[in-house]
Amino acid sequence: SQQGEEDPQALSIQEGENATMNCSYKTSINNLQWYRQNSGRGLVHLILIRSNEREKHSGRLRVTLDTSKKSSSLLITASRAADTASYFCASLRSNDYKLSFGAGTTVTVRA
Amino acid sequence: GAGVSQSPRYKVTKRGQDVALRCDPISGHVSLYWYRQALGQGPEFLTYFNYEAQQDKSGLPNDRFSAERPEGSISTLTIQRTEQRDSAMYRCASSPGYGKGDYGYTFGSGTRLTVV
Repeated sequence: SQQGEEDPQALSIQEGENATMNCSYKTSINNLQWYRQNSGRGLVHLILIRSNEREKHSGRLRVTLDTSKKSSSLLITASRAADTASYFCASLRSNDYKLSFGAGTTVTVRA
Repeated sequence: GAGVSQSPRYKVTKRGQDVALRCDPISGHVSLYWYRQALGQGPEFLTYFNYEAQQDKSGLPNDRFSAERPEGSISTLTIQRTEQRDSAMYRCASSPGYGKGDYGYTFGSGTRLTVV
């Protein structure tokens, strides 16, 4: 079973705009991670945020975590065509050792 | 190696045949994971190893599925008597830690299995 749910399922934006997607999870976690999957390619780890962190940045990526609401968001600023991909959140539950993935958000960046 | 290598990239097999999918993790990575991903869905956990020990196989759908990592490096996922519902992308990942998840996973490109 999948622990996380992403919202929205799909997102279409203009190049240069920001893209925001959300993830909710069900049980307490150790950390939450975001991955990107380009069409026909493998999953690439983007960023990890621990349960005691509230916000993290990596380049044009900004991740927030609200453990009281069991939710996280991923913001991509100044999007580019190369950001077109599916984005998955994956949570590591407390006292567990395997990631549980959501169904993903498909992002399309229009030139 | 530099990344996680999976072979074959594509496998088409007839229903009832056995298949073996191979994963070569990043050298030195302790933890190895197998996931299965259906089209339009996120990866679903199958099984996990620390070194050569299979720590968790709770995600394997039934006893036709098995996995091994005999020397703590290369792993093989075997599906016996394949069925059409086994068709999916099978992904392998490795991480340096002891499954504590403090590290992100490095995924291979996957094996696309089609059972006809």
